[in-house]
Amino acid sequence: RKEVEQDPGPFNVPEGATVAFNCTYSNSASQSFFWYRQDCRKEPKLLMSVYSSGNEDGRFTAQLNRASQYISLLIRDSKLSDSATYLCVVSGNQGGKLIFGQGTELSVKP
Amino acid sequence: DAGVIQSPRHEVTEMGQEVTLRCKPISGHNSLFWYRQTMMRGLELLIYFNNNVPIDDSGMPEDRFSAKMPNASFSTLKIQPSEPRDSAVYFCASSPQDRATGELFFGEGSRLTVL
Repeated sequence: RKEVEQDPGPFNVPEGATVAFNCTYSNSASQSFFWYRQDCRKEPKLLMSVYSSGNEDGRFTAQLNRASQYISLLIRDSKLSDSATYLCVVSGNQGGKLIFGQGTELSVKP
Repeated sequence: DAGVIQSPRHEVTEMGQEVTLRCKPISGHNSLFWYRQTMMRGLELLIYFNNNVPIDDSGMPEDRFSAKMPNASFSTLKIQPSEPRDSAVYFCASSPQDRATGELFFGEGSRLTVL
């Protein structure tokens, strides 16, 4: 079983749609959780951290379910510029390293 | 402000040749990470350093790979001898924290093709 698993997609959605990505992780000792965004042929960049109580940043909402070892990202009112690959990221044992999922590709169409 | 700087951006080499990738982290960051990205395996952590000391190299594929960080502003990843299966994008990232509990700042990557 991979340490971090994501649906690779692609998710093809029209502008204005709401889209949700899910991610599961295997290490119950993980303490830190993030969503990164990677544009085509570019480096990954932090989108947002994920907190236990859930958190929102504009059109983006992240949630964490520790019991189920599950993380989600919700994008509302999607824009063309949201087209990218979204990477679920989880800290490893002792928090010393970050483990990336394979990513979920999103394509927002006009 | 300068971000993480990697060189070369692109390298094409022949099987058996030595490849050296270079990274300059953001000044003041004390953790440095080397990742490799392929379509098949995604982003894999190869090794990370904290205060120039290697902390976890369990992701280094085999003895052909080696990494050094002689000082706080420079790191290298060396592959000798290179093989076609080493073709990938190699990212260097740095973090201001001792442990990767925060944001990683990535360089633009070095795209390696081994023929």
